[in-house]
Amino acid sequence: GAGVSQSPSNKVTEKGKDVELRCDPISGHTALYWYRQSLGQGLEFLIYFQGNSAPDKSGLPSDRFSAERTGGSVSTLTIQRTQQEDSAVYLCASSLVSGEGNTIYFGEGSWLTVV
Amino acid sequence: KQEVTQIPAALSVPEGENLVLNCSFTDSAIYNLQWFRQDPGKGLTSLLLIQSSQREQTSGRLNASLDKSSGRSTLYIAASQPGDSATYLCAVPSQGGSEKLVFGKGTKLTVNP
Repeated sequence: GAGVSQSPSNKVTEKGKDVELRCDPISGHTALYWYRQSLGQGLEFLIYFQGNSAPDKSGLPSDRFSAERTGGSVSTLTIQRTQQEDSAVYLCASSLVSGEGNTIYFGEGSWLTVV
Repeated sequence: KQEVTQIPAALSVPEGENLVLNCSFTDSAIYNLQWFRQDPGKGLTSLLLIQSSQREQTSGRLNASLDKSSGRSTLYIAASQPGDSATYLCAVPSQGGSEKLVFGKGTKLTVNP
């Protein structure tokens, strides 16, 4: 497709279950980002992938969170043993990388509710 | 640590009015600043990207300025329309040209017909 695609768009899960969120970036974009947006809060950086470089995982809030990017394209964000505080919108974005900043394109998000 | 503040948190104006949204950031050693729009229940749409070497960028009725030395940016919207109603967010790199962006909490704009 033309834009960043995320699935599922909505997910309700029971506390303690694992969830996987998928992101399909724009074709040809080498950079991929995951952000989290909680109700009433700003966007919180989670993780950044760039080409074959080691990802910047500095924003992951705990070891229950992990992400991978296969073949330099699709990415999966996994949350293990979900907690209620994990409820948020998880936004994926992609961009081309240049020397001085890039326009970033966001998907519409995966809305996660942990009950 | 980079922090971004947006004022006001919410703004309601009548259609046709010109308006200014403000963004301030604590670490001025940035390479760029971006303004985004977010509609309810949707992702973010990039509006304008200002490089550190630029002072402003324009797109249609939108004009964004950047004053690095004072740590401020403004987004000017001319002749506002009801379709402009959304939350507007600014974002800067956490440091320098980092790809990790720090976002403000946004300004929720309502343009009344």
